[in-house]
Amino acid sequence: NAGVMQNPRHLVRRRGQEARLRCSPMKGHSHVYWYRQLPEEGLKFMVYLQKENIIDESGMPKERFSAEFPKEGPSILRIQQVVRGDSAAYFCASSPPPGTSNYGYTFGSGTRLTVV
Amino acid sequence: GESVGLHLPTLSVQEGDNSIINCAYSNSASDYFIWYKQESGKGPQFIIDIRSNMDKRQGQRVTVLLNKTVKHLSLQIAATQPGDSAVYFCAETEVSGGSYIPTFGRGTSLIVHP
Repeated sequence: NAGVMQNPRHLVRRRGQEARLRCSPMKGHSHVYWYRQLPEEGLKFMVYLQKENIIDESGMPKERFSAEFPKEGPSILRIQQVVRGDSAAYFCASSPPPGTSNYGYTFGSGTRLTVV
Repeated sequence: GESVGLHLPTLSVQEGDNSIINCAYSNSASDYFIWYKQESGKGPQFIIDIRSNMDKRQGQRVTVLLNKTVKHLSLQIAATQPGDSAVYFCAETEVSGGSYIPTFGRGTSLIVHP
């Protein structure tokens, strides 16, 4: 049973380009969470999604950032017109549906985005 | 050794010692807590969790203590090993309120000297 899969592991983009980060949740998990981590800091919540639905995007910057979790395929975090301040590690976690016996948040290995 | 979270983000111990990592959480309504271990270049790894109807839970070499009165959580690691060196985060969630979003503390770096 594969864990949470994120790709790419490392992504380099020039200022103004688009970055697409992908996350495939664990088998049986229908909820996905995206977090951003700056060096030597904690994880900051960005967005919480279930299939075809954004549940909470209170941590997402108002512009340039978007997320989706389609019926088929991985969840995508998209950053348009990247700036140097977007350089960070982006982590995805997945969990079973809320209300099940084990909340079981499991994290992927992250995508390290570097904007040059 | 003992750390006090935000004020002492680094804890250094000798191999074989017991380690205590502390965390002060912010939301008095939080009812589910998780400790994660993050090694350099990797994602957070689940260590142990506890619900608010408990004040202590034990795992393999780890114990989590919860004091809801003062909103304090601690992680005790017995017989610390070099492989325990990592950053440790606590996370809180208010699942009964319908929020399933873990909120993370800043983290404590544990350094184990052989």
